[in-house]
Formats: sequence, C-alpha cells, structure tokens
Amino acid sequence: NAGVTQTPKFRILKIGQSMTLQCTQDMNHNYMYWYRQDPGMGLKLIYYSVGAGITDKGEVPNGYNVSRSTTEDFPLRLELAAPSQTSVYFCASSYRRLGADTQYFGPGTRLTVL
Amino acid sequence: KNEVEQSPQNLTAQEGEFITINCSYSVGISALHWLQQHPGGGIVSLFMLSSGKKKHGRLIATINIQEKHSSLHITASHPRDSAVYICAVGEETSGSRLTFGEGTQLTVNP
Repeated sequence: NAGVTQTPKFRILKIGQSMTLQCTQDMNHNYMYWYRQDPGMGLKLIYYSVGAGITDKGEVPNGYNVSRSTTEDFPLRLELAAPSQTSVYFCASSYRRLGADTQYFGPGTRLTVL
Repeated sequence: KNEVEQSPQNLTAQEGEFITINCSYSVGISALHWLQQHPGGGIVSLFMLSSGKKKHGRLIATINIQEKHSSLHITASHPRDSAVYICAVGEETSGSRLTFGEGTQLTVNP
C-alpha cells in the first residue's frame, strides 16, 4: 500500500493563478480531509468528505473547492491564488469517522504564492 | 482561548530523560489523538484514545476525561524522538472533524 499520496510536493504560484493539489489513497477509506498548516499554528481543516460524491466545508474553506468523484481521489482546487494561501497542505484519510479511527496523512504540499 | 491547549510549546531534553507533554481541552470529545510531525514535515498518528492509558514502545498516552486533560510521556528519550508532537480532539458534536493544538516542539540532545 502506498497509503496517502499527494502531488506536487512543492509549487510556486503567482497571485491570481489557479492550481489543483492532488490526493489519492489506496486504503479504501471513506473519509478524506484537506488541512493547511501555517507556521506556528495548528492544522486547520479546509474541506472534508465522508464518501464519494459527498463533501463539506471545514474551518477555512474560502478560496478553495473540492470534489470527490471516486473513493480514492480527493483533489483540492485553488482559484485565484492569494499570498494568504501560502502554506503547507496535508491530505488525510480514515476508514471511519475520526472519533473512532486513526487518521493517515499524506507527505504534504508546500505552496508559495508570490 | 483555543479549544485545545498544549504545554510546553518548546521542550529541550537530554538523551535518556523522561518527557511529558500536556494537552488540555475545553469541549466534550469522542476521542483524543496524539500525532508526531517529523522534521521533514510528515505526520504520523501515535495514539487515539477515549479513556485510560495506551502504551507503544517508549511512548505512553493517558487521558482523564473528567479533567479534560491528556499527557504524552516518552521514556528514555532519544535524539530520534525530536519532532513536533500534536494533540487533536474529535469533538462529540462535530462528527468527522478534529480540532488541533499548536504542537510541542521537542528537541532531545545527545
């Protein structure tokens, strides 16, 4: 099992550009999550999904969009990138809801918006 | 005030020392998670617990639900334990979401 994979590892964007961060898991997990981690701050939930076709907003969804067409994939779309979106982005997954299950993280994507 | 507070924020220890990292939370929870973030940035789950105590190798996690407090202990610390340790809680009312503490930076010197 590869676990949770993310691409790209690093990316530099100009203000106003768009991009998609890819996330794939091969553990047949129902739940998938996108977090951002800013320096010195705790992880913040951007969006999550409880299964294919079902997504919901987290704490900081503005400026992002997601889709979940398959169990395996959960891409995060940044539209009109802004310097405030400079962060490290982590994708994660779990089989059951987090109150009852371990969460597995991808390696992260370091994004800089200039 | 954050819903999840960790202390200390930074901790430096000598190899072999016993280490304790604390986590306090203010909401009703379904489970508490301890995570480790390596210097390279990767995050792994260490423990998930809703009561009592769990042990894995040199790591021990405890939780007191009444006091809304958890501790992570590392016995016989080693430089390879140097990492950020993160406490996160799954709130009773939020279903599938976690609230994270800001982390404790641990440095273990040889």
